[in-house]
Amino acid sequence: GQNIDQPTEMTATEGAIVQINCTYQTSGFNGLFWYQQHAGEAPTFLSYNVLDGLEEKGRFSSFLSRSKGYSYLLLKELQMKDSASYLCAVRDSGGYQKVTFGTGTKLQVIP
Amino acid sequence: EAQVTQNPRYLITVTGKKLTVTCSQNMNHEYMSWYRQDPGLGLRQIYYSMNVEVTDKGDVPEGYKVSRKEKRNFPLILESPSPNQTSLYFCASRPTGISNSPLHFGNGTRLTVT
Repeated sequence: GQNIDQPTEMTATEGAIVQINCTYQTSGFNGLFWYQQHAGEAPTFLSYNVLDGLEEKGRFSSFLSRSKGYSYLLLKELQMKDSASYLCAVRDSGGYQKVTFGTGTKLQVIP
Repeated sequence: EAQVTQNPRYLITVTGKKLTVTCSQNMNHEYMSWYRQDPGLGLRQIYYSMNVEVTDKGDVPEGYKVSRKEKRNFPLILESPSPNQTSLYFCASRPTGISNSPLHFGNGTRLTVT
């Protein structure tokens, strides 16, 4: 099985940088995803990590350490529209590669 | 446009009245799945399907049924809805065989059972 932990809520200031952490415990690991979800809307894909290190995509970066069971999502130059929930999801290495989601981190960006 | 389409977006019903939420994808994805999302519990998988005529239970399958007669469609059936099935439901799909493929989600169905 899998256990995924991420903070429930965070607040950050417009223009700043925020780091959202995710820790996981899994019996078999085959990748970690980050999704963004605005209230009442569908989750949308942000990033994918399967090897250790940093993946950068514009203002968003995601880091993975498999040995520590740890990932973070880094958001730079925060904008008001970045106010959303950020979901960490882990894919396991089993037959159908199940994806398990964390409960999400609700980020509020304030002026 | 590549998309996953769910209907209806909103549904209010009464206990025991059978209902179906439809899901259709136009990306030729083999894998499809249903999730429910509740405050503090995140997205939990109800059922999934690896391909046509292949379905299996997720983490919270009680009270739900699914079918996969065609590749593009994966309806969610509540034979006798109860108030504890009030939730936000998402259908999702992805191709198999591509390790970094993310899930593509429908826009959600907000179900209220009174």
